[in-house]
Amino acid sequence: DGGITQSPKYLFRKEGQNVTLSCEQNLNHDAMYWYRQDPGQGLRLIYYSQIVNDFQKGDIAEGYSVSREKKESFPLTVTSAQKNPTAFYLCASSSMDRGRKTQYFGPGTRLLVL
Amino acid sequence: AQKITQTQPGMFVQEKEAVTLDCTYDTSDPSYGLFWYKQPSSGEMIFLIYQGSYDQQNATEGRYSLNFQKARKSANLVISASQLGDSAMYFCAMREDGPKGANNLFFGTGTRLTVIP
Repeated sequence: DGGITQSPKYLFRKEGQNVTLSCEQNLNHDAMYWYRQDPGQGLRLIYYSQIVNDFQKGDIAEGYSVSREKKESFPLTVTSAQKNPTAFYLCASSSMDRGRKTQYFGPGTRLLVL
Repeated sequence: AQKITQTQPGMFVQEKEAVTLDCTYDTSDPSYGLFWYKQPSSGEMIFLIYQGSYDQQNATEGRYSLNFQKARKSANLVISASQLGDSAMYFCAMREDGPKGANNLFFGTGTRLTVIP
């Protein structure tokens, strides 16, 4: 089945620790995105990538880092510099062809700080 | 200024009735796209419907339709014949087709819909 997978479903971080969230897609989409959702809020863009080996900061990139070494994968690292990382993290992908460019989302990862 | 505004934090609808979820947007781009997503309690964002700024007709997808009023900058979602499974958060989002060509979405704060049996 085509789709987007995220792992783990739940992640616990200790103070001062870096953690990496996985996002994989087999939709052959060029673009991938990371969003953060806080309780009762909409989604805010952290980073996005339109092509392999290139990525751009979104609205709230501080304390996060990404890589895009393969078209299928776009991992997000939450660094110790992110002081309030507890949130729900959603990964998405889209085609960049002309047209809707609809973003399709994975199931998400809930990050909690111990 | 907020690019997407959803003024209804919560809505209730009787099963089998229709309901309208409001969304207004703010952009100076002549070309843009409007999206509605459903987020059930599991958390996944499910794409429902899309409206392009140049589309002449309102978009429809099954029981979902988008009431697009360009002059008013509104893109309300209409769900007909509500079902219990429609209970979820609903988010309106906009993509601006500016010169950079980025496909970034701006989201509203969402409306929680509860369908009453």
